[in-house]
Amino acid sequence: DQQVKQNSPSLSVQEGRISILNCDYTNSMFDYFLWYKKYPAEGPTFLISISSIKDKNEDGRFTVFLNKSAKHLSLHIVPSQPGDSAVYFCAASGMKAQKLVFGQGTRLTINP
Amino acid sequence: KAGVTQTPRYLIKTRGQQVTLSCSPISGHRSVSWYQQTPGQGLQFLFEYFSETQRNKGNFPGRFSGRQFSNSRSEMNVSTLELGDSALYLCASSQEPATANTGELFFGEGSRLTVL
Repeated sequence: DQQVKQNSPSLSVQEGRISILNCDYTNSMFDYFLWYKKYPAEGPTFLISISSIKDKNEDGRFTVFLNKSAKHLSLHIVPSQPGDSAVYFCAASGMKAQKLVFGQGTRLTINP
Repeated sequence: KAGVTQTPRYLIKTRGQQVTLSCSPISGHRSVSWYQQTPGQGLQFLFEYFSETQRNKGNFPGRFSGRQFSNSRSEMNVSTLELGDSALYLCASSQEPATANTGELFFGEGSRLTVL
């Protein structure tokens, strides 16, 4: 039972344009959502998060949007840079969820 | 301060053998979680330990086990290895249990296990 889904295994974007990564979840108990970034041969690192009481959170070039009614969140990166090329995981948690649940990941490639 | 340290980084085993992976969390962190990463499956939750107690366990067979010591270091063990156990095993630490601190975890670089 995949409670957090990233339906796009890969995404290719030109440098300077906007990258949009999507994530869907099924468990209504989730109330906190996070994005992690992973480079090859490294562990995932925390990127940005959003609480269910908000619908948008920005941090520099990164913005996360949450649509609770659709159980959908997205990560926008603008402008995209070559260093953004990595695998991005969305994750969800909540006191009642009891654990942090990750999606399958989306491999983002930024082309110069 | 030092990050999460996992050993060994790479290892090769054969079917039927057992393996033990080690994780040293960031100093002061009392929660350690373990994840299995395989292509197409993302990060699958194995278990979480906090103050030497297993708080939660994922949907893995009993061949997968773990423990946490008084210094917060953790080990996970996989017995009777199968080909499908080949994966990157990631350890993550946090000061409080993941669900109590909103889920921000600090990951190690992982231990890549290959089962032949």
